[in-house]
Amino acid sequence: GENVEQHPSTLSVQEGDSAVIKCTYSDSASNYFPWYKQELGKRPQLIIDIRSNVGEKKDQRIAVTLNKTAKHFSLHITETQPEDSAVYFCAASSLGYQKVTFGTGTKLQVIP
Amino acid sequence: ETGVTQTPRHLVMGMTNKKSLKCEQHLGHNAMYWYKQSAKKPLELMFVYNFKEQTENNSVPSRFSPECPNSSHLFLHLHTLQPEDSALYLCASSQGQGNTEAFFGQGTRLTVV
Repeated sequence: GENVEQHPSTLSVQEGDSAVIKCTYSDSASNYFPWYKQELGKRPQLIIDIRSNVGEKKDQRIAVTLNKTAKHFSLHITETQPEDSAVYFCAASSLGYQKVTFGTGTKLQVIP
Repeated sequence: ETGVTQTPRHLVMGMTNKKSLKCEQHLGHNAMYWYKQSAKKPLELMFVYNFKEQTENNSVPSRFSPECPNSSHLFLHLHTLQPEDSALYLCASSQGQGNTEAFFGQGTRLTVV
C-alpha cells in the first residue's frame, strides 16, 4: 500500500520568514495530493491540493510543488504569520479519499 | 461551520460499555468516512461509505462497527473497547470518492477507562 513520509515533525520560524514542509510517497499510481491544516482543538481543513497533471499550484501565500519522478511534494508558506501556527498534514491518494494515506503531520510554530 | 456535525464531543466509557458515535452532514455529499486520530497515527482512515454502501474497511477490529442508514448520517458503534482505542474520532464527508475536498467534523474525544 501507499506510504507517506512527512518532514519535519516540528518547525519553528520567525514571523515573516518562509516555511517548507516536505512529503514523499511510495505508490507511483497516486495522483491526488491534498494538504490539511489543523489548528489546536479544531478539525482538519483543506488548504490546498494538487493533482498529478500539474507541477505547481499557488494560492496567495501558500504554494505546493509536485515532483512525480522523485515522488515528493512540498508545501511552501511565505511571509508567515502567527495564525499560520498549526499542524499540517500532507496526503496522497490514487482513488480519492477511499484510499487516502496521510503523513504524520508537521507542527508549525510561527514566533512573533 | 463546515456542515459536518459530530456528537458527542467527549465520551468516557468503560471497557465493558456499549456506546455509539454519531455524524451528520448537511452538505449533500454522498461519501462519508471515519478517521482515528491519535499520537501514534495522526490521521488513520477506518471506514468509507459511498451512497450508504461500505466500500472500505481498513483492517479495523470488529469492536468498531459502522452504520450508514442514509447518505447524511453515519454511526460508529463501540463495544468492549481497549484503553489503546482512546483517541479523537473524526467523521468526514465528500462529494463522491474522487479527488474532491473532504470536510471534517469537530471529532469525538474518546477515553476508554
